[in-house]
Amino acid sequence: GIQVEQSPPDLILQEGANSTLRCNFSDSVNNLQWFHQNPWGQLINLFYIPSGTKQNGRLSATTVATERYSLLYISSSQTTDSGVYFCAVERGFGNEKLTFGTGTRLTIIP
Amino acid sequence: GAGVSQSPRYKVTKRGQDVALRCDPISGHVSLYWYRQALGQGPEFLTYFNYEAQQDKSGLPNDRFSAERPEGSISTLTIQRTEQRDSAMYRCASSLTGGAENNEQFFGPGTRLTVL
Repeated sequence: GIQVEQSPPDLILQEGANSTLRCNFSDSVNNLQWFHQNPWGQLINLFYIPSGTKQNGRLSATTVATERYSLLYISSSQTTDSGVYFCAVERGFGNEKLTFGTGTRLTIIP
Repeated sequence: GAGVSQSPRYKVTKRGQDVALRCDPISGHVSLYWYRQALGQGPEFLTYFNYEAQQDKSGLPNDRFSAERPEGSISTLTIQRTEQRDSAMYRCASSLTGGAENNEQFFGPGTRLTVL
């Protein structure tokens, strides 16, 4: 099956810093999603981004499907950004399940 | 409600007991998915439905696990004769179409299952 790798596995930053999280995948995908799992365990949708660039406030994401990677940018980090960030991909065309990466654990220190 | 709901939120059971986990998807969503998440890992696919039809059950670990969605809305994941290794967070998701377009999946809060 498709492999999804995320880096770095852990990231500790001071409040106000910027960060870039990376997601590499081993085969072509039809869809890609970024999620934030908050400290209460809830999976929150950040971006649905099979290709191109999207921005939502302090967060933005870029997927380069032809090169099989996606990047999540977080600017001016806040303590509420802490948690685990997951990338998940879907092959599509009869294979609609999401395959998740191993996640990046982000800790923002006040 | 506006989002995916799951019940119960927490379930503690003894080894050998059967459990049933419920998922209520977003109204109008065609596709419904079940995932299992072990501590410190990402969710892993179990099974999914389009309407009431089970499309893929390749992720179900063994025949103790089954799922149904009889009326194309609410779904139940049943685990028979639970074992300690079944302890995990069970997550449900739904999407509007399940097809090639607009298949963004939205997740419920999960059911934390603990088997003693």
